[in-house]
Amino acid sequence: AQTVTQSQPEMSVQEAETVTLSCTYDTSESDYYLFWYKQPPSRQMILVIRQEAYKQQNATENRFSVNFQKAAKSFSLKISDSQLGDAAMYFCAYRRWRDNAGNMLTFGGGTRLMVKP
Amino acid sequence: EAGVTQFPSHSVIEKGQTVTLRCDPISGHDNLYWYRRVMGKEIKFLLHFVKESKQDESGMPNNRFLAERTGGTYSTLKVQPAELEDSGVYFCASSQDLPLGGSTDTQYFGPGTRLTVL
Repeated sequence: AQTVTQSQPEMSVQEAETVTLSCTYDTSESDYYLFWYKQPPSRQMILVIRQEAYKQQNATENRFSVNFQKAAKSFSLKISDSQLGDAAMYFCAYRRWRDNAGNMLTFGGGTRLMVKP
Repeated sequence: EAGVTQFPSHSVIEKGQTVTLRCDPISGHDNLYWYRRVMGKEIKFLLHFVKESKQDESGMPNNRFLAERTGGTYSTLKVQPAELEDSGVYFCASSQDLPLGGSTDTQYFGPGTRLTVL
């Protein structure tokens, strides 16, 4: 079974600075997807960024980028130029390559990010 | 386009009572998922519908939980009778069905229903 671990229950960052959230996972599969979801205090969880394991290039979405280290099974999220609106719970998630077994997401425990003005 | 909606947003019930949670997926999304987060732990998968059929219900904790998706549109998750350990946030997500080929299907989440069992 796959597991996802987020070792930082809470993080804080000064506005405009950069912060990195850690995520490690365990799997015996070679093809899979990794995701970072953000859940602001309003509770709607939204997708921040995703990475296909077969891609060597790290995914980026504006101020959000990942450092995907497949051999180390590490998938960290870097937020540059942090803004107050980035304050949220961040969940790292794993999904198997699409197959008939289903498309469930396996989540880490989450990291609460606080942004200081 | 409306997102995934869930009702109610918060439910407080007593142990032994019945509660029904509802999820309306994004229109046209064949895939519907239920997850829950209990006591600040990880978000855990409960089950997956493809249209009205249960594709995977391996995460359902026990037979006190019953999920339905009649007509392949909205879904309900009934807990009967509720126990204290059922307290948590229940999330619903939906995604489009994709042709075979391995492309990812982004799951869009609803705001969740916070269930408190006293």
